[in-house]
Amino acid sequence: QVQLVQSGAEVKKPGASVKVSCKTSGYTFTSYYIHWVRQAPGQGLEWMAMIKPSGASTTYAQKFQGRVTLTRDTSTATVHMELSGLRSDDTALYFCAREHGGDFDIWGQGTMVTVSS
Amino acid sequence: IQLTQSPSFLSASVGDRVTITCRASQGINSFLAWYQQKPGKAPRLLIKGISTLQSGVPSTFSGSGSGTEFTLTISSLQPEDSATYYCQQLNTYPYNFGQGTKLEIK
Repeated sequence: QVQLVQSGAEVKKPGASVKVSCKTSGYTFTSYYIHWVRQAPGQGLEWMAMIKPSGASTTYAQKFQGRVTLTRDTSTATVHMELSGLRSDDTALYFCAREHGGDFDIWGQGTMVTVSS
Repeated sequence: IQLTQSPSFLSASVGDRVTITCRASQGINSFLAWYQQKPGKAPRLLIKGISTLQSGVPSTFSGSGSGTEFTLTISSLQPEDSATYYCQQLNTYPYNFGQGTKLEIK
């Protein structure tokens, strides 16, 4: 079945970087865009970025420009999200999601990133 | 494009009909989706393309609207419908979400 499985929780210090992975399975990796969405504790959903696995082109929310980088590995059908210059307000649950032509139909289980000194 | 949901909080009883509204700051064609999220879980797609029910979603859920105003309706509330609901536009980047509507079952 179609699945997105994310890497485990991370604890980082302010100023550090974090890299979260999203391993896909059950479908043709290059046929669907992958997006990243985050949710701070008690807050709503915030769209961050998108990657087209077929050609690796990306689109980033202006808020994260210069701090977030999406990459993909076609050999393992995995997308990586790296966020640098971490601050306490980057503490959040990070989700990857598959875009299915106008909706996000499959989501990863989420990865908790905690930024604390 | 900004999305404004109302109400932010809703309390209703089992069997009630409830409606959540999502207003967009500009037109988004038909690229409007609704999600249900329970605490600590990933969102679940309910409605796509304004009104198309996602496979496996109960028929008590429905979506409607056009232009800049959209609604999610639950025709007969069930205990398991207790959750937070989000609308999302996928017409223009960034693919923003509404701020969410928390639905409580009395």
